[in-house]
Amino acid sequence: DGGITQSPKYLFRKEGQNVTLSCEQNLNHDAMYWYRQDPGQGLRLIYYSQIVNDFQKGDIAEGYSVSREKKESFPLTVTSAQKNPTAFYLCASSIGIPSPNTEAFFGQGTRLTVV
Amino acid sequence: AQSVTQPDIHITVSEGASLELRCNYSYGATPYLFWYVQSPGQGLQLLLKYFSGDTLVQGIKGFEAEFKRSQSSFNLRKPSVHWSDAAEYFCAVGSRMNRDDKIIFGKGTRLHILP
Repeated sequence: DGGITQSPKYLFRKEGQNVTLSCEQNLNHDAMYWYRQDPGQGLRLIYYSQIVNDFQKGDIAEGYSVSREKKESFPLTVTSAQKNPTAFYLCASSIGIPSPNTEAFFGQGTRLTVV
Repeated sequence: AQSVTQPDIHITVSEGASLELRCNYSYGATPYLFWYVQSPGQGLQLLLKYFSGDTLVQGIKGFEAEFKRSQSSFNLRKPSVHWSDAAEYFCAVGSRMNRDDKIIFGKGTRLHILP
């Protein structure tokens, strides 16, 4: 079945550590996104990528980094520079070219907790 | 820059009553618009979308939404809610500019259902 897989579902990080969240899609989508979700804040865009080897900062990119070496993969690294990383992280993908078929497909999310 | 406003953080309705969730967007041209639903701890599921054409769009689970350009709105409606509709609902706007193709979400409206 086609879809987006995020792993792990739960992740615990010690202060000062970098952690990487995995996001893989087999939908052959060009565009991929990372969102952060906090209670009452909705989904805030961290980074997005429209094509392999290219990505753009979203609204809250500070303390995060991404790579897009393969079309199907868009890992997110939460660095020690991110002061408040505890949140629910959602990865999504879409066709990338606006069309009637455009919609974002979401993974099940990763809940990151700093301990 | 595109933006989305969902003015109601929480909405409570009785089972069987009608529902309307409000969404206003800001965008320089005709955007493409979405409504998603999220159950606790899960990813987002698409309810419906508007790209062009008929301004009243039908979605899954008995939901519909109407695009009103003059009001910059895309309100979600359901004639009779079920207890299983209790969830968080997100309105989103997508850009039609390919070089800036990203999807921005509102802060969400949490729907509570009274028995």
